[in-house]
Amino acid sequence: DAKTTQPNSMESNEEEPVHLPCNHSTISGTDYIHWYRQLPSQGPEYVIHGLTSNVNNRMASLAIAEDRKSSTLILHRATLRDAAVYYCILRGPQGGSEKLVFGKGTKLTVNP
Amino acid sequence: KAGVTQTPRYLIKTRGQQVTLSCSPISGHRSVSWYQQTPGQGLQFLFEYFSETQRNKGNFPGRFSGRQFSNSRSEMNVSTLELGDSALYLCASSLEAAFFSGNTIYFGEGSWLTVV
Repeated sequence: DAKTTQPNSMESNEEEPVHLPCNHSTISGTDYIHWYRQLPSQGPEYVIHGLTSNVNNRMASLAIAEDRKSSTLILHRATLRDAAVYYCILRGPQGGSEKLVFGKGTKLTVNP
Repeated sequence: KAGVTQTPRYLIKTRGQQVTLSCSPISGHRSVSWYQQTPGQGLQFLFEYFSETQRNKGNFPGRFSGRQFSNSRSEMNVSTLELGDSALYLCASSLEAAFFSGNTIYFGEGSWLTVV
C-alpha cells in the first residue's frame, strides 16, 4: 500500500497561514490525495482532496506537486478551532482490495 | 442534512462480554465502514459494507463482526471482549463504495468502549 509521511507536529500562530506537508513518493497514478483532520474527542472530518491539480474549498487549499510525490495542505488563516491532528491519506484501487490507511498525522497547535 | 450518528457514545463492558454498536449513515449513503482507533495503533480499518454486503475486511480476529440492514444502517459486534478492545470505534459513510478514489467519506463522532 502506498504510504504517506508527515511531520509529527507543527505550531502556528492565530491568523497566520499554515502549510502542512505530506510526502507520498510511492503514489500511483490512480491514487487521490485526501486530507482529514480530527479534533479532540471527535471523529475525523473531511478537509479536501485532489488528484493532480491544486484544489480550493472553503476550509483549505491543496497544493499538489507536479510529480505528485508530495502535497501541501494550506490553511490560509489559522484559528484556534483549527488545532487538530491532520491526516494525509491516499485512496485508490490497489489490487482489488483497498484499505484506507491513516498514518500518525500531524498534530497542529495554534497559539493565540 | 444529518450527519453520521453512532450509538451509544460511551459504554463500559466487562472482559468476556459482548457489545453491539450502531451506526446510522447519512441519508442516501449506501456504504458504511467501521474503524478502530487507539492511541498506540492509530486508526485501523475493520470492515466495509455496501448494499448489505461486506466488501472489504481488515486484519481483525473473527470476534469482530458486522452487518448492514436494508436501510443502510449498520451494526458491529465484538464478542468475548478483551482489555485490548478498549478503543474509539468510528463509523463512516459514503454515497458509493467507500474506497472508490474520489468519494468523500464522512465519519461519526464514535463510540468510546472501555473494557474492564
